[in-house]
Amino acid sequence: DAKTTQPTSMDCAEGRAANLPCNHSTISGNEYVYWYRQIHSQGPQYIIHGLKNNETNEMASLIITEDRKSSTLILPHATLRDTAVYYCIVRGGLFWGGFKTIFGAGTRLFVKA
Amino acid sequence: GAVVSQHPSRVICKSGTSVKIECRSLDFQATTMFWYRQFPKKSLMLMATSNEGSKATYEQGVEKDKFLINHASLTLSTLTVTSAHPEDSSFYICSARAQREGQINHEQFFGPGTRLTVL
Repeated sequence: DAKTTQPTSMDCAEGRAANLPCNHSTISGNEYVYWYRQIHSQGPQYIIHGLKNNETNEMASLIITEDRKSSTLILPHATLRDTAVYYCIVRGGLFWGGFKTIFGAGTRLFVKA
Repeated sequence: GAVVSQHPSRVICKSGTSVKIECRSLDFQATTMFWYRQFPKKSLMLMATSNEGSKATYEQGVEKDKFLINHASLTLSTLTVTSAHPEDSSFYICSARAQREGQINHEQFFGPGTRLTVL
């Protein structure tokens, strides 16, 4: 079973920041938080991951609470092309092989003009 | 980022036939590949984990004799849906985990998916 809880759907106005929350209250010490997104009829796309520090890359920022029980993915300036299902996943990082990536239901983000 | 391809992207077959889907990592080696299926408006469901040179590990409820997985090389895994039936119609997605010596393996790349329709 997925270890995360996300809202079913969210709306965001184009050009505004999209803040997608995720609860992972049972996360363990060696587990990372990963975010992927899936645009309709395509394979999932990696966005960002983090352990306990906030992270930022060219796509998004990831804010993880101090107790690591929740996180927020921030798309700073959402565009219509960001409309997708966003998946928050908790998974261990491991040398070689590693843990399975289990998807929950995700959040369906609608970016509106 | 690294590229994972799938072939074919779309396939339509008659009930009772077998269909093979290929998954290739184009510019990296992947010791581990994963196969998922996705029904309309649903999330991805992990079917099996495939390690190069060894038997695949199937998730509970997935029939290994029906969904044959072969991971013959570090860049190729195949999924064969045997004796396909209409209920096997789905979007099949593969994923490959990049091999990084001496580093924690964070990166996992997904293929574009294969839409299977069984008539």
